[in-house]
Amino acid sequence: GAVVSQHPSWVICKSGTSVKIECRSLDFQATTMFWYRQFPKQSLMLMATSNEGSKATYEQGVEKDKFLINHASLTLSTLTVTSAHPEDSSFYICSARAYKGQGVLDYEQYFGPGTRLTVT
Amino acid sequence: QQQVKQSPQSLIVQKGGISIINCAYENTAFDYFPWYQQFPGKGPALLIAIRPDVSEKKEGRFTISFNKSAKQFSLHIMDSQPGDSATYFCAASIRGSTLGRLYFGRGTQLTVWP
Repeated sequence: GAVVSQHPSWVICKSGTSVKIECRSLDFQATTMFWYRQFPKQSLMLMATSNEGSKATYEQGVEKDKFLINHASLTLSTLTVTSAHPEDSSFYICSARAYKGQGVLDYEQYFGPGTRLTVT
Repeated sequence: QQQVKQSPQSLIVQKGGISIINCAYENTAFDYFPWYQQFPGKGPALLIAIRPDVSEKKEGRFTISFNKSAKQFSLHIMDSQPGDSATYFCAASIRGSTLGRLYFGRGTQLTVWP
């Protein structure tokens, strides 16, 4: 149990286009999902926190209009990188936080496998 | 400000040896301390976690030692294997908080030589 999927696993896009990344919790419901960005040999950097049915909370320095987050349901959150540029190339990882009583660890964050974005 | 400080940045251990990674924190409100293992090109996976009401937790070859007064915790990997070569992140959070945000250390790249 406690599987989080991301789609796509990798994507190459041209500068100026938009890319959507999906994050799904497959066997549990998550009221909260997190989006991280990771550069090579660095730690995870939290970009934003999203709660189902409400607006995402962005970390300082993260452009809301560039990184659009939609938490449409208790099992799906999407990150859209709008007007992507080469500097947006990175590894994007989501996590889903299980709430109590679902047969997985209460309040544990489960991570997706990540999405490699390359902008040319 | 780094909420969780992790050392060393990299670690090379011979097969069969003990790998030790240390972390320190300042916020005494933290009450959950997980360790994650990440292989290249993959997302982090929960390895082992501890609450501050115990000083040690062991799962197989992996042990967390926790020192509440010193605000430090460490991961020990016994009988290290080449398959353990990965990046390890410690983290801390306030588990019962509304969001339960994780604060990560900078990571330790572990290489185990055969």
